[in-house]
Amino acid sequence: AAGVIQSPRHLIKEKRETATLKCYPIPRHDTVYWYQQGPGQDPQFLISFYEKMQSDKGSIPDRFSAQQFSDYHSELNMSSLELGDSALYFCASSLDLHTGELFFGEGSRLTVL
Amino acid sequence: AQSVTQLDSQVPVFEEAPVELRCNYSSSVSVYLFWYVQYPNQGLQLLLKYLSGSTLVKGINGFEAEFNKSQTSFHLRKPSVHISDTAEYFCAVSEGNTNAGKSTFGDGTTLTVKP
Repeated sequence: AAGVIQSPRHLIKEKRETATLKCYPIPRHDTVYWYQQGPGQDPQFLISFYEKMQSDKGSIPDRFSAQQFSDYHSELNMSSLELGDSALYFCASSLDLHTGELFFGEGSRLTVL
Repeated sequence: AQSVTQLDSQVPVFEEAPVELRCNYSSSVSVYLFWYVQYPNQGLQLLLKYLSGSTLVKGINGFEAEFNKSQTSFHLRKPSVHISDTAEYFCAVSEGNTNAGKSTFGDGTTLTVKP
């Protein structure tokens, strides 16, 4: 069965650079979530989209932005990267806003040097 | 606002022994509750969920959990663990209905199954 696809899987950037992460949800899932998981920490909700519109916002820095496109894939853009942005970024998709069941991708590991 | 407390950061257990991973939550509204498992360098996989109805929920890999509203708990249990159950387990809560996937996670419990 198709799963959530994230790219790239690994990314190394310098401070103050920009990074873009991509997420392709499971077919027919119109809801996408982004979570950030720091080393040894629990996942923290960043932002979610439903039907290409932002549905909710969590602890996402102003330096970050995201959107969901017409084909339902989503991109997380991170600018002016800081050392503290080094983390595993997970995308998850869901059938809608109400089922609560998240299907996670394998994550994109961002390392900021 | 909601919060989740996983009472044990690490749980070592011998193979074929029973295990319980404890989770307490707080919320001012009705909630959905979840347990996820994370293997090293992988994403999270849903083990089971409680949305409504029967308070005893059965999930994958032989795990089950019981929702206790009066004690605001959602403990995860397995009667006999395997080496392959060694992983990080996260309890999560969301405010059901409005945005059920916007979850608050606990700090995680590392389950180590020893031979």
